[in-house]
Amino acid sequence: GAGVSQSPSNKVTEKGKDVELRCDPISGHTALYWYRQSLGQGLEFLIYFQGNSAPDKSGLPSDRFSAERTGGSVSTLTIQRTQQEDSAVYLCASSIAGGAGELFFGEGSRLTVL
Amino acid sequence: DQQVKQNSPSLSVQEGRISILNCDYTNSMFDYFLWYKKYPAEGPTFLISISSIKDKNEDGRFTVFLNKSAKHLSLHIVPSQPGDSAVYFCAAQTGNQFYFGTGTSLTVIP
Repeated sequence: GAGVSQSPSNKVTEKGKDVELRCDPISGHTALYWYRQSLGQGLEFLIYFQGNSAPDKSGLPSDRFSAERTGGSVSTLTIQRTQQEDSAVYLCASSIAGGAGELFFGEGSRLTVL
Repeated sequence: DQQVKQNSPSLSVQEGRISILNCDYTNSMFDYFLWYKKYPAEGPTFLISISSIKDKNEDGRFTVFLNKSAKHLSLHIVPSQPGDSAVYFCAAQTGNQFYFGTGTSLTVIP
């Protein structure tokens, strides 16, 4: 597709359940980022993938969070045993090369944990 | 620690007037500074950027000013239009890392 695609756009889940969020970056973009925006907060960095290099996981808030990027393209962010504080909009972004400038964002996945 | 700060959560401006959005940062090693615009239920979209070696960059109605000694940058929109109403995020980049502010919600009143 022409832009960064994220799914689902909305997810409501019960506390304790696992969720998976998907990101399909722009074709040819080697860098992929996950951010989240909680209510009233800025964009919080979660994880960064660049090509085949080991990901930068320094922003993941706990070991319940994990992400993978298969074949250097699609990425999945997994949250295990969800908590209410995980409720946020999860945004994926890609860029041509890590550190080269602007990020292209998807529309986000809004997660609500009841 | 918040490395990029936007201290004004909201701003209202009359159509045709200038909008000035401000941003402060703490890390003198940032290479680039960027502004993103976000409409409700959409992802942020890139608006304009400036290299740390410059002090001004202009693109149409949008101008970004960088004051490195004060660790401050600002986005000027002139003239402001109702379609500019959105949340504006300031971001700073060093290496592969981007740091975002909390955003300023701009309302342009017709």
